[in-house]
Amino acid sequence: DAGVTQSPTHLIKTRGQQVTLRCSPISGHKSVSWYQQVLGQGPQFIFQYYEKEERGRGNFPDRFSARQFPNYSSELNVNALLLGDSALYLCASSLATVSQETQYFGPGTRLLVL
Amino acid sequence: AQTVTQSQPEMSVQEAETVTLSCTYDTSESDYYLFWYKQPPSRQMILVIRQEAYKQQNATENRFSVNFQKAAKSFSLKISDSQLGDAAMYFCAYRSGRAGGTSYGKLTFGQGTILTVHP
Repeated sequence: DAGVTQSPTHLIKTRGQQVTLRCSPISGHKSVSWYQQVLGQGPQFIFQYYEKEERGRGNFPDRFSARQFPNYSSELNVNALLLGDSALYLCASSLATVSQETQYFGPGTRLLVL
Repeated sequence: AQTVTQSQPEMSVQEAETVTLSCTYDTSESDYYLFWYKQPPSRQMILVIRQEAYKQQNATENRFSVNFQKAAKSFSLKISDSQLGDAAMYFCAYRSGRAGGTSYGKLTFGQGTILTVHP
């Protein structure tokens, strides 16, 4: 079975632009979470979605938004990009939102903001 | 808020030897889950092992085992018979067992420990 997939793998944007990152969960998984990993640090939680509804939100500004589609894939949008948004963006999927469900990570999208 | 601390930025081990990575966490909750994830240079984060706080028995997965000390809020990872493929960044992570709230589903990660394996 395919694991979590993310696209694109790399992206270069300039300050002020907008970006959309995409994630396809493992088949059968209904929950998707997004994390931001700045170089040299641990991932920081951004959002969790389950059945197309937001179920959890981290401490990120409103420039960050996400949605989940009927096929459980997800998009993360970041508006008005700042240099500090440069990071690896990780998507993780799990069967559901219950706390004992393990989250499985994708390879990430490397975003560079110039 | 929960915090996770990994006090060893880097560790090294000889192939076939044993190494222990440290992790401490801070929480006021009694129901939670702890994880060790491995992130090789290719970036894909892989689950190594998980521990339920309500279980007293330490989790084991082949060469990987944990020493879970709930009272001390300590969760270390022991890698036995280290292999070259074990070289990676290792993250300790915490997840609340409490349903609901804006942080529901959130994994809180430590800063990571870079493990180097010498042949």
